[in-house]
Amino acid sequence: GDSVTQMEGPVTLSEEAFLTINCTYTATGYPSLFWYVQYPGEGLQLLLKATKADDKGSNKGFEATYRKETTSFHLEKGSVQVSDSAVYFCALRVYSSASKIIFGSGTRLSIRP
Amino acid sequence: SAVISQKPSRDICQRGTSLTIQCQVDSQVTMMFWYRQQPGQSLTLIATANQGSEATYESGFVIDKFPISRPNLTFSTLTVSNMSPEDSSIYLCSVTDRGGETQYFGPGTRLLVL
Repeated sequence: GDSVTQMEGPVTLSEEAFLTINCTYTATGYPSLFWYVQYPGEGLQLLLKATKADDKGSNKGFEATYRKETTSFHLEKGSVQVSDSAVYFCALRVYSSASKIIFGSGTRLSIRP
Repeated sequence: SAVISQKPSRDICQRGTSLTIQCQVDSQVTMMFWYRQQPGQSLTLIATANQGSEATYESGFVIDKFPISRPNLTFSTLTVSNMSPEDSSIYLCSVTDRGGETQYFGPGTRLLVL
């Protein structure tokens, strides 16, 4: 069935380091892909999305490119900040079942000052 | 984007009791969903709340345990019935935008069952 596999955490980096959180998916058809972020004590927020192959989603310095050939949607940021500490969820929308979203297990990111 | 509010924001309940969680959206939406996020885990879809008809439940979730109402296009409730400590989770309401592409989440209801 449809699924999302993402890098296990926790991930701990120093401020200004380069970040990559890996995400791969399995899906029938052509899903839309998302990254959601959950800051400590807060609800889930959409960080970025991509709806078709080769699209690049970007927001707040984060980027992810929809790679159909490798079924991946890795999240990257060139220089992380302490305020980026959060849990990041990769997700896909199942096209055949209107608006149903399947989430990965989440990756906890901690940034040291 | 839609603004979603949930009540209560958190609660502590005794086993065997029931709790009803309310979800209010600031605009009319077609699709509303209820998710559960167990401690340290990802989100799991419980059901799709359908306006004017019975909710559509995912595998592993049943109406007797999680009855859902959706009387109109801006409001829904989820009841967690006959609670046990295993029901301790964050319960999240979610809606899609008009295009059905992007999903937004409420702040969640943190439930602890003793």
